[in-house]
Amino acid sequence: DQQVKQNSPSLSVQEGRISILNCDYTNSMFDYFLWYKKYPAEGPTFLISISSIKDKNEDGRFTVFLNKSAKHLSLHIVPSQPGDSAVYFCAASGNRGSTLGRLYFGRGTQLTVWP
Amino acid sequence: DSGVTQTPKHLITATGQRVTLRCSPRSGDLSVYWYQQSLDQGLQFLIQYYNGEERAKGNILERFSAQQFPDLHSELNLSSLELGDSALYFCASSDTHTTDTQYFGPGTRLTVL
Repeated sequence: DQQVKQNSPSLSVQEGRISILNCDYTNSMFDYFLWYKKYPAEGPTFLISISSIKDKNEDGRFTVFLNKSAKHLSLHIVPSQPGDSAVYFCAASGNRGSTLGRLYFGRGTQLTVWP
Repeated sequence: DSGVTQTPKHLITATGQRVTLRCSPRSGDLSVYWYQQSLDQGLQFLIQYYNGEERAKGNILERFSAQQFPDLHSELNLSSLELGDSALYFCASSDTHTTDTQYFGPGTRLTVL
């Protein structure tokens, strides 16, 4: 049962343009959401997070938007750079029951930024 | 560099064998988490330890066990290995046992032949 879903396995964007990666979740107990970036043969690297009390969090070129009513979050990268090419994972956790402490991951989206 | 270290980086072994994966968390972090990444299942949570005690368990097989030592490093023991156990095993750490950002190590690639 995939509680965090990334429905686009891949995304291709031209350098300088905006990359938008999407994520949906099903569990209402999730209250903390994260994006990780992963290169081949490396561990996931933390990128940005957002608490459910916010609807937007920004860090440099990266912005995460959270729509709780739609159970949807997105990661915007502006402007996109070739070095951003990697697999991006959406993850979620909560403060109650089975969601406590552990992260639930989506399957990832391969972002390719071309010159 | 996340500050989380894992050894070994690669491990090749045969079915039926037993292996131990080791993880050292970031300095100051009390929680250690283990995840398995396989091609068909994605990143799956296995188990969490906080300051030496087990705090949460995911879909971890009975053939797998883990512990966290007084110096906070952790070991994941995999026994009676099967071909399907071939995967990447990641360790992560955080400074609390609740909702928090987890920082991942580089992983151990296990190949069971």
